Amino acid sequence: DAKTTQPNSMESNEEEPVHLPCNHSTISGTDYIHWYRQLPSQGPEYVIHGLTSNVNNRMASLAIAEDRKSSTLILHRATLRDAAVYYCILRDSGNTGKLIFGQGTTLQVKP
Amino acid sequence: IAGITQAPTSQILAAGRRMTLRCTQDMRHNAMYWYRQDLGLGLRLIHYSNTAGTTGKGEVPDGYSVSRANTDDFPLTLASAVPSQTSVYFCASSVSWDSFYGYTFGSGTRLTVV
Repeated sequence: DAKTTQPNSMESNEEEPVHLPCNHSTISGTDYIHWYRQLPSQGPEYVIHGLTSNVNNRMASLAIAEDRKSSTLILHRATLRDAAVYYCILRDSGNTGKLIFGQGTTLQVKP
Repeated sequence: IAGITQAPTSQILAAGRRMTLRCTQDMRHNAMYWYRQDLGLGLRLIHYSNTAGTTGKGEVPDGYSVSRANTDDFPLTLASAVPSQTSVYFCASSVSWDSFYGYTFGSGTRLTVV
């Protein structure tokens, strides 16, 4: 499975946008980029995923670099409830598609 | 509400005892997974099942077994619990094993082996 690199932690102010980066320089053409988050004392929660084009949903936006070697999860207006660990994961469509979690980015949101 | 139900929510277990963690989903998802989460080690895949009747080993399968007799249920069994199996266990499911689909996770079972 190709690896991802994320900052260990980030801080944001409430109601400001947050850009969470992820590097995946060894990504293959069949890897989907998935993002999950885990709020304190809860199970992981699906956020968004994409292959090549930028994606938007009610939770966030995913911006994928043209060469696909990096991506950015964008929370448009951070709230205190967005404080969580955010995981960027490459999921290979060629194998059994298992999600292999890294250490993620711990996002702290300040009021 | 559709989703994944895990039971029990927490358990204290004597070492050497047998324990089955239950996981049931009502979304008719084909693929199911078991993860454990330990402080400093993150989430690690124990076993998975791409469809009813099939199972496979993840990153840390030793000491655990699974079965998938039907689509909805994916129990995880510890045949003889050891203290190193103290962890939070999460069950997850997905429409299929294909990477296009996201996972849905349960709320977890906190297991302490003493």
